[in-house]
Amino acid sequence: NAGVTQTPKFQVLKTGQSMTLQCAQDMNHEYMSWYRQDPGMGLRLIHYSVGAGITDQGEVPNGYNVSRSTTEDFPLRLLSAAPSQTSVYFCASSYEGGPPDTQYFGPGTRLTVL
Amino acid sequence: AQSVTQPDIHITVSEGASLELRCNYSYGATPYLFWYVQSPGQGLQLLLKYFSGDTLVQGIKGFEAEFKRSQSSFNLRKPSVHWSDAAEYFCAVGVFSGGYNKLIFGAGTRLAVHP
Repeated sequence: NAGVTQTPKFQVLKTGQSMTLQCAQDMNHEYMSWYRQDPGMGLRLIHYSVGAGITDQGEVPNGYNVSRSTTEDFPLRLLSAAPSQTSVYFCASSYEGGPPDTQYFGPGTRLTVL
Repeated sequence: AQSVTQPDIHITVSEGASLELRCNYSYGATPYLFWYVQSPGQGLQLLLKYFSGDTLVQGIKGFEAEFKRSQSSFNLRKPSVHWSDAAEYFCAVGVFSGGYNKLIFGAGTRLAVHP
């Protein structure tokens, strides 16, 4: 049981490049989400999914796309990277998604956009 | 609007000393409260959570937190800090809004431990 895994751990992009951050979980969780962490701001929700085929926007969705074709995977796509997207990205999952439910976090991807 | 405030950005304590990290929240309904810890280069690990019932909750690694509704606070405590507790600590409130679950995080408190 690996929990929540994320790849890559580190990535450097040039402005305008695209890339996909991968996230997978093996706990059969329905709810998955992406957060970004910036200094002095805690974590902010980018996108979330309540099950395969269902996604929606969080607080800071601009510049990011997601899809959820399987229960296990929830990739985050940057179509045209900007320096403002330099951040640490965390994927999280939980069983149902209600507030009492504990969210389990992956180890994070540190992204730098030059 | 919902929010979480962690007033202390950095705290330094000596190993063996007691610790209290402050957290205040703003939320109109019954709060679901969490403390997470992030060690350098690592993801977030849940320390403890409060949903209802006993206002003093015990967590992992010897941490506890007390929910005080009258003060809108959920402070984290440990009686004797170990060098391995050096990390960043995040308080969060769980909100169910617009059909989805969202964790609203504070900005974090970075803990340094002196030998």
